[in-house]
Amino acid sequence: GNSVTQMEGPVTLSEEAFLTINCTYTATGYPSLFWYVQYPGEGLQLLLKATKADDKGSNKGFEATYRKETTSFHLEKGSVQVSDSAVYFCALRPTTSGTYKYIFGTGTRLKVLA
Amino acid sequence: GAGVSQSPSNKVTEKGKDVELRCDPISGHTALYWYRQSLGQGLEFLIYFQGNSAPDKSGLPSDRFSAERTGGSVSTLTIQRTQQEDSAVYLCASSLLDQPQHFGDGTRLSIL
Repeated sequence: GNSVTQMEGPVTLSEEAFLTINCTYTATGYPSLFWYVQYPGEGLQLLLKATKADDKGSNKGFEATYRKETTSFHLEKGSVQVSDSAVYFCALRPTTSGTYKYIFGTGTRLKVLA
Repeated sequence: GAGVSQSPSNKVTEKGKDVELRCDPISGHTALYWYRQSLGQGLEFLIYFQGNSAPDKSGLPSDRFSAERTGGSVSTLTIQRTQQEDSAVYLCASSLLDQPQHFGDGTRLSIL
């Protein structure tokens, strides 16, 4: 079946440090892949997405590359800020015809210290 | 605003009572999703509506949970005879077909 596995948190970094949050997936075919971010007390917001192999999604300094060969979609940012503190969710949407049900990972909490 | 709206934002109720949670999706969005987010857990899929098709109820944890979507717009998630393990944040999302989901801020449900 379809699944998403994320690294467990919390991840604690100092401001301006490099961030990597690992995400791997299991799916048939070529799913679309997403990263969502959840700030305290809010719902999830789409951060970036990629719909086919080797696509790179990017937004607000965050990047993730769709790697079919390693079934991965790791989130990276070169220099984190305190305002990036949030929970990050990796998700996939299968390509099965007529199915638009998303599969989410368990989330990774990021804490950035000044 | 033009986003997904959920109400109430917080709900505290006694064990055994019924609760109704409301979701107003973005106008024109044909797909609507309900998820449950328990403390320290990821998002658990509950139910998915798409247009006039029969909803995908495969994620509902028990027959105490039900949902409906009236007129292809507003949705209500009902939990009957609430239990303490139902305490969680319930998130609603909507989307156009094949587009990313937009989430509401959720309803935090606490069962005493």
